[in-house]
Amino acid sequence: GENVEQHPSTLSVQEGDSAVIKCTYSDSASNYFPWYKQELGKRPQLIIDIRSNVGEKKDQRIAVTLNKTAKHFSLHITETQPEDSAVYFCAASGGGTSYGKLTFGQGTILTVHP
Amino acid sequence: NAGVTQTPKFRILKIGQSMTLQCTQDMNHNYMYWYRQDPGMGLKLIYYSVGAGITDKGEVPNGYNVSRSTTEDFPLRLELAAPSQTSVYFCASRTKETQYFGPGTRLLVL
Repeated sequence: GENVEQHPSTLSVQEGDSAVIKCTYSDSASNYFPWYKQELGKRPQLIIDIRSNVGEKKDQRIAVTLNKTAKHFSLHITETQPEDSAVYFCAASGGGTSYGKLTFGQGTILTVHP
Repeated sequence: NAGVTQTPKFRILKIGQSMTLQCTQDMNHNYMYWYRQDPGMGLKLIYYSVGAGITDKGEVPNGYNVSRSTTEDFPLRLELAAPSQTSVYFCASRTKETQYFGPGTRLLVL
């Protein structure tokens, strides 16, 4: 089955800096890669996603890049703000008979210092 | 439109007890999922369903059962609670490729 590795496990930045979180996946059939933000005690919330036919996607301060050949994808947050502090999870999902099942990375605790 | 709802929010069980975690969605989604999230970890898939009457195992199904008699409801059953089942349980439903999560049920087994 699919295996998703996420790095780093913790990331500390100063307000206004950029943050980058990287994930690798094992199943070359995976074709959907969402990123979730989870605040303490809350549910995961989708912040951005990318499909395998796209190399990069941007939404205001958040961007995701995908390298299918190397089987890795990354989350980029620019101009970080204290409210960006949370746990971020990457995930991967295959097409066909995978039925949308998501395999999650282990999470990255992002702390943005004012 | 309430989205995905879960009950209860929190429960303490004794070892060997049983309980059902409820999950309901009002978005008419066919695909539904149950995940567990252990402290400091990512989510792991327990069971999923692609429509009423159809369920299948995920990555960590042992100790759990599910049913899907309607499109809206996808309950998760714990028959003999064990300390290893202490976790936060999230239900999700999916449209196209996006999964929407419920607020979670925090379960403590002592």
